[in-house]
Amino acid sequence: DSGVTQTPKHLITATGQRVTLRCSPRSGDLSVYWYQQSLDQGLQFLIQYYNGEERAKGNILERFSAQQFPDLHSELNLSSLELGDSALYFCASSADFYTGELFFGEGSRLTVL
Amino acid sequence: EDQVTQSPEALRLQEGESSSLNCSYTVSGLRGLFWYRQDPGKGPEFLFTLYSAGEEKEKERLKATLTKKESFLHITAPKPEDSATYLCAVQAMQDKLVFGAGTILRVKS
Repeated sequence: DSGVTQTPKHLITATGQRVTLRCSPRSGDLSVYWYQQSLDQGLQFLIQYYNGEERAKGNILERFSAQQFPDLHSELNLSSLELGDSALYFCASSADFYTGELFFGEGSRLTVL
Repeated sequence: EDQVTQSPEALRLQEGESSSLNCSYTVSGLRGLFWYRQDPGKGPEFLFTLYSAGEEKEKERLKATLTKKESFLHITAPKPEDSATYLCAVQAMQDKLVFGAGTILRVKS
């Protein structure tokens, strides 16, 4: 158990809809990361927050947004969903900002029909 | 652009048959190279960090090594429970991690 909690574990929705994925980092970790993993793209970095502030952005679509709240949990909002958004979405956390030693949650599997 | 290439894509071994996985990288200013293990339906689990050429790290049957252009993950006398996808990632000066596509390892008893 990594200590990172993600909900929901599975989500099935329709094209055009909006969903919110939630992540609670390990106790004491200030940095939260979101990754997307699909069969054809591998593990792709979306965005990083550190202590409530956005710190780095990767290949995140404009239809996607995220935030980190004062209690350090984070949410990833996906809107106007398309079939191609079906993937595993992972949250990870770390104590430091610069480390590559991340602790991943078990992921949220999103299926868009 | 930073790139990570892992080979082979898939590897099948008999229990006890040692082998190596390769991770070659192109990065502008390496801050660190990381190995992760991912079981089906689970999130990646951190294994090793390597910072400079010549560095080696070991954990049970796994040993990771680093040169200026690639890293190897050596698996000695693997067991079925070592079956997983092994991911390599590099962290450049821009700080974000770039992951390779992974090597799927299957160890048969």
